[in-house]
Amino acid sequence: RKEVEQDPGPFNVPEGATVAFNCTYSNSASQSFFWYRQDCRKEPKLLMSVYSSGNEDGRFTAQLNRASQYISLLIRDSKLSDSATYLCVVTDSNYQLIWGAGTKLIIKP
Amino acid sequence: DGGITQSPKYLFRKEGQNVTLSCEQNLNHDAMYWYRQDPGQGLRLIYYSQIVNDFQKGDIAEGYSVSREKKESFPLTVTSAQKNPTAFYLCASATRDFGSPLHFGNGTRLTVT
Repeated sequence: RKEVEQDPGPFNVPEGATVAFNCTYSNSASQSFFWYRQDCRKEPKLLMSVYSSGNEDGRFTAQLNRASQYISLLIRDSKLSDSATYLCVVTDSNYQLIWGAGTKLIIKP
Repeated sequence: DGGITQSPKYLFRKEGQNVTLSCEQNLNHDAMYWYRQDPGQGLRLIYYSQIVNDFQKGDIAEGYSVSREKKESFPLTVTSAQKNPTAFYLCASATRDFGSPLHFGNGTRLTVT
């Protein structure tokens, strides 16, 4: 089992819809969690950290479920510009970052 | 503006040649990292450095070397020993605070033929 798993997609979603995807992790001792966004052939950029109580940033909501060992990202009122690959990142027991392979999201007009 | 600069953006080399990728940051970050990204895979850690004159191997260090003589600079050399060097290479930096997110350079796309 991979340490961090994501559905590769692509998720094809109409503009304005709500979309959510999960990321599962195997190390129950993981402490820090992040979502990054990566556009085609570009570097990843931090979208948001994920806090235990869940957090929201505009149209984006991130949640952590420690019992089931996954984090989620919800995007409301999706825009064409949201099309990208979303990378999940989790720290391991040595505080090193473990990256998921990413979920590709395509927003269609 | 502070940031991380990687150069060059595209690099082409013949098999058997060593090549050095540049990474410079002016964010005053202590920690710097090199990752490799291949299609359909997550980022894989090559080397990282938490402080000047010290660095550690990541998960896929074989065939690569680094130096950290200055806080701002963390160059990566891809040697001829690296079996599949063609990839997208990403440099990142962060503070040493636990849970600190990474800031990335815009990457170097290396093609070896």
